[in-house]
Amino acid sequence: KNEVEQSPQNLTAQEGEFITINCSYSVGISALHWLQQHPGGGIVSLFMLSSGKKKHGRLIATINIQEKHSSLHITASHPRDSAVYICAVRIDDKIIFGKGTRLHILP
Amino acid sequence: DTGVSQDPRHKITKRGQNVTFRCDPISEHNRLYWYRQTLGQGPEFLTYFQNEAQLEKSRLLSDRFSAERPKGSFSTLEIQRTEQGDSAMYLCASSKSGGAEAFFGQGTRLTVV
Repeated sequence: KNEVEQSPQNLTAQEGEFITINCSYSVGISALHWLQQHPGGGIVSLFMLSSGKKKHGRLIATINIQEKHSSLHITASHPRDSAVYICAVRIDDKIIFGKGTRLHILP
Repeated sequence: DTGVSQDPRHKITKRGQNVTFRCDPISEHNRLYWYRQTLGQGPEFLTYFQNEAQLEKSRLLSDRFSAERPKGSFSTLEIQRTEQGDSAMYLCASSKSGGAEAFFGQGTRLTVV
């Protein structure tokens, strides 16, 4: 049983499309992170959420605490957005990661 | 740079050799986490420290693996007698206790040949 589930696992889209990546978790959390991982592996933290919605440039992250669900949206997607997007949740003292969503944006 | 730093970024070693990785957390963070990420998977928890105390170890952390945080600041992860299955990205993260936000290092990619 995975405590953090992401969908889809893989996503290929055309440049300019609106992208949505979903993350569901099964227990109460204190925070949720969206992370970006490019080939080569370094992780970049995009957002940390404990409620509501955050926006940074073309990226929007939302969280619904009652439904235990978060989404990451990318507007006007671009090939440079191609990466693995990982959801990570803070549960008590631990950080639990999802398996990631591999996004490929075609020019 | 005030982020979490890991050293080295890449390590190639021969099977059977020992390797040691270092993580320097953000200075005021008393929690430090180690994770391992194999190809196509999300990071998996290995162990974490509160100050210098190692509070939890995953069963993934075999007896060939040891982690220390001697002064409650930087941490080292040592793998003895490396095996090809140890090839992975080793990630470090840090946070304040009681705080929600965690910060992530760039990782150390280990290749065992």
